[in-house]
Parts: sequence; structure tokens; C-alpha cells
Amino acid sequence: DGGITQSPKYLFRKEGQNVTLSCEQNLNHDAMYWYRQDPGQGLRLIYYSQIVNDFQKGDIAEGYSVSREKKESFPLTVTSAQKNPTAFYLCASSIGGASTDTQYFGPGTRLTVL
Amino acid sequence: QKEVEQNSGPLSVPEGAIASLNCTYSDRGSQSFFWYRQYSGKSPELIMFIYSNGDKEDGRFTAQLNKASQYVSLLIRDSQPSDSATYLCAVSPLSGTYKYIFGTGTRLKVLA
Repeated sequence: DGGITQSPKYLFRKEGQNVTLSCEQNLNHDAMYWYRQDPGQGLRLIYYSQIVNDFQKGDIAEGYSVSREKKESFPLTVTSAQKNPTAFYLCASSIGGASTDTQYFGPGTRLTVL
Repeated sequence: QKEVEQNSGPLSVPEGAIASLNCTYSDRGSQSFFWYRQYSGKSPELIMFIYSNGDKEDGRFTAQLNKASQYVSLLIRDSQPSDSATYLCAVSPLSGTYKYIFGTGTRLKVLA
């Protein structure tokens, strides 16, 4: 089955700890994205990548880092510099990076700070 | 600041009725428009997209786009309780960036 997988489904972080969220796709999509969703707010773009070894900051990149070493994988690290990381994190991918390309979402990771 | 506006709801409709969800956007150059459905605690799933003015139908769903008035709507015919969810409108700009701009979503409740 083709699709996007995210792990873990739930993640708990202690204060001052870095955590990494996994995102893998087998759709052969070039573009991948990370969004954050908070209650009552729309999805906000954290980072996106159009091709391997290249990525761009989105609207709320502070406190986050990414890598894109493989086409299939786009992990997101939430660093201790992110002061309010509790949220629902969504990874998405699209065939290319054209604005007409549809983005498809993974199941999400719910991060909670203890 | 480019914005996408949706009424947060909840919009309550009886089973079998037509649900009408609306979305307005501020960037006149926007060219692609997407509707996603999101069940509570789940990720968004694509319902349909529309690029051209007018109507686009897919089963019980119809998307309507009016670029002159800068709104896009989603009609759901013969609404079912399983349609109860939050519907997200996403708009993609003309500028060629890869960014969608999402509205905050409208919560739909279909009453059995």
C-alpha cells in the first residue's frame, strides 16, 4: 500500500529535551511538508522540502529542525528552544512542488510536554 | 497577510439535507483551492480540489469557486451522520510557492 507513515502516534517530552518525529512516504513524491495544528487554529507550516538535501523554513520554523537525506524520509526535530511544543504534528507530501499539486497527509503525531 | 476565513460553526443540518460550507480568501492571485475533511483526532483527508470558476461535482460533493468574489464553497448533498467532521479550506497562491494557506475549519454536525 502506498502512503505516508508517521511515528510515533503519541510522544511525550520532558522540559529541555529534543525529540524527533518520523515521516516516511512510499508515494515517490518529491515534496514533503511539516505542519503544526493547535486547537482552534488552522494548520501552520513549519518546514517544507522540494527535493532531497534541500528544505525551506515555513511560517513557524523557530525551535524546529529538519533533514531530507532521502526522498522517502523527512524527520522533524522539536528542540528545547521550542517553548510551546504541545500540538498535533502533521506530515504531508505532494508529487511535486507546484501550487496545483495536492498535498496528502500522514496520520499525525500528538506531542505533549510533561 | 494572506488569509483564509471560515466560519468555525458548528453548522448543524438534519440528515438528508444539503450542507453548505463557505470559505473566503484574501489573495486575489490564488489559483488552487482544496477541501479537506478532518475527523476528531485524525489527520485531514482530501475531498476535492478546484482550479476554475464554476462548479465541480464528485458524488455527493460539489465545490463552487467564484474568483471575482474570492470565495469557494463546498456543498454536501444528502448529508449523513458520518459527514460530521471539521472541513478545512486550503488555498494555494499564484506566486509558485509550495505553501497552502489553511482556514481554521468549519465543524459540521449532521443530526440523525
